Amino acid sequence: DAKTTQPNSMESNEEEPVHLPCNHSTISGTDYIHWYRQLPSQGPEYVIHGLTSNVNNRMASLAIAEDRKSSTLILHRATLRDAAVYYCILRDSGGGATNKLIFGTGTLLAVQP
Amino acid sequence: DAGITQSPRHKVTETGTPVTLRCHQTENHRYMYWYRQDPGHGLRLIHYSYGVKDTDKGEVSDGYSVSRSKTEDFLLTLESATSSQTSVYFCAISGNRGGPNTGELFFGEGSRLTVL
Repeated sequence: DAKTTQPNSMESNEEEPVHLPCNHSTISGTDYIHWYRQLPSQGPEYVIHGLTSNVNNRMASLAIAEDRKSSTLILHRATLRDAAVYYCILRDSGGGATNKLIFGTGTLLAVQP
Repeated sequence: DAGITQSPRHKVTETGTPVTLRCHQTENHRYMYWYRQDPGHGLRLIHYSYGVKDTDKGEVSDGYSVSRSKTEDFLLTLESATSSQTSVYFCAISGNRGGPNTGELFFGEGSRLTVL
């Protein structure tokens, strides 16, 4: 499975945008980029995913570099509830794929009031 | 919220005893997974299932076995629990019957296991 690299931690102020980077230089053509987050004492929850084009949903935006070797999760206005560990994960969508996700250690986002 | 329930949610046991954790889903999803989470390691995949009676190993499968006799239940068994298996265990499900497969995983609330 291709690996991802994320900063261990980041800080943001409430109501400001947050850009969470992820490097995945060994990504293959069939790998989707997934982002999950884990709030304290909860299981991870899906945030967003994409393949080549930038994606937007109600939670966040995903900006994917043209060469797909990096991506950025964008929270447009951070709230205190966004304080969590954010995981960037590559999912193989090729033949026989089983949707299994291999998590790294993620980025711990702290949001200051 | 996806219909996933894990049981028990908390368990304390002694070294050498068998332990079974149950994951139950009401979504009729094809894929089910067991992860463990420990400080400094993030989530690690133990075993997963891609259908009834179809299972495979993940990253950290030693000391664990699984069974899936019906779509809705995925059991994780520690045959002889050790202190190194003290952890929080998460079950996840994925896949829509007859529909597009986005690969999104839905996680349960976790089961905290302490092995003394």
